[in-house]
Amino acid sequence: AQSVTQLDSQVPVFEEAPVELRCNYSSSVSVYLFWYVQYPNQGLQLLLKYLSGSTLVKGINGFEAEFNKSQTSFHLRKPSVHISDTAEYFCAVSVKAAGNKLTFGGGTRVLVKP
Amino acid sequence: GAVVSQHPSWVICKSGTSVKIECRSLDFQATTMFWYRQFPKQSLMLMATSNEGSKATYEQGVEKDKFLINHASLTLSTLTVTSAHPEDSSFYICSAPAWTGATDTQYFGPGTRLTVL
Repeated sequence: AQSVTQLDSQVPVFEEAPVELRCNYSSSVSVYLFWYVQYPNQGLQLLLKYLSGSTLVKGINGFEAEFNKSQTSFHLRKPSVHISDTAEYFCAVSVKAAGNKLTFGGGTRVLVKP
Repeated sequence: GAVVSQHPSWVICKSGTSVKIECRSLDFQATTMFWYRQFPKQSLMLMATSNEGSKATYEQGVEKDKFLINHASLTLSTLTVTSAHPEDSSFYICSAPAWTGATDTQYFGPGTRLTVL
């Protein structure tokens, strides 16, 4: 079975400052990795994904994430946040053998302050 | 990108009534769809996998007789909450996988907020 841990439940950050959201996973097999963002009362929007290849993945809205196999991590970063980045962020993994079902982390709430 | 819609976006019903939520893949076909439940300030909990043309697969602890799932076509899955009670109030989200070259990527609907009075 897979598990995902998001180490920070809340991250307050000032506008234009950088932010990093931490995600660690556990799996006995290779996984695919995803970051999703959820704005209030909305569904989830895909930010980026790692399937294979380059470990640095660039996504939408200026976000990027780096896959580190040895540390089983997939941390999400943005060099300069905007007020509009205030949202809940979910890290997730899927395994082909498990029918590509997603296993989610607990989520990290990002609050961008002016 | 692939688009998934849900209807209704919110619904309020009386205790004891049934509520149907629709999930549609608008620009792609999906033989499988997933239904999630999300409580306030919590992560998504997978309820069941909807399979076109066959029975849904429910996660452990989810009552199949209470949460009826029908995958009527390659673009439509429905979740019916039967005899709803206040504890069923939640945010229900569906997703559908679209093939993206190496694996399926899940695309999510906007969610349906159910309030049972």
